[in-house]
Amino acid sequence: NAGVMQNPRHLVRRRGQEARLRCSPMKGHSHVYWYRQLPEEGLKFMVYLQKENIIDESGMPKERFSAEFPKEGPSILRIQQVVRGDSAAYFCASSPLDSQETQYFGPGTRLLVL
Amino acid sequence: QKEVEQNSGPLSVPEGAIASLNCTYSDRGSQSFFWYRQYSGKSPELIMFIYSNGDKEDGRFTAQLNKASQYVSLLIRDSQPSDSATYLCAPYSGGYQKVTFGIGTKLQVIP
Repeated sequence: NAGVMQNPRHLVRRRGQEARLRCSPMKGHSHVYWYRQLPEEGLKFMVYLQKENIIDESGMPKERFSAEFPKEGPSILRIQQVVRGDSAAYFCASSPLDSQETQYFGPGTRLLVL
Repeated sequence: QKEVEQNSGPLSVPEGAIASLNCTYSDRGSQSFFWYRQYSGKSPELIMFIYSNGDKEDGRFTAQLNKASQYVSLLIRDSQPSDSATYLCAPYSGGYQKVTFGIGTKLQVIP
């Protein structure tokens, strides 16, 4: 049973470009969470999604950031017009429907904005 | 007040000693508590969870919960250098509420 997959593992963008981060949850998991971890800081919740539905986006910056989890395919975290402060590790986690609190993390995407 | 308070450390203990990691939380509605371990440059991994007052043991790990004091701890017996990592406390209030992570305590086990 494959774990949570994220790609790319490393992403380099120049200021002003767009970054797209993908997350495929574990098989059978219907909940996806995105977190951001800045260097030497803790995990910060960004958004919680089910298929085709955003449950909680209270941690998402108001501008430039968006997330989706379509009926088919991976969850996408999209960052438009990236700035240097967006450089961080972005982790995705998934959980099954009957155990929403038990989250399994993917390996993360390290975003570097030049 | 932060939702989850942890001493960021580093906490240094000699190999073979007991490491004690502490966490306080502000949400009295928190029902479950998770401890995650995160090695440097890696993703967090779930190592323990507890939802009842008292102790829960799993191998060398013991989680202790006191809901009245809003306090949860993790004890690691016979600490090994491989236990050196950051330990994240995460309270959970149930339902569709998000899990909230503390900043984590960095543990260093000295050989």
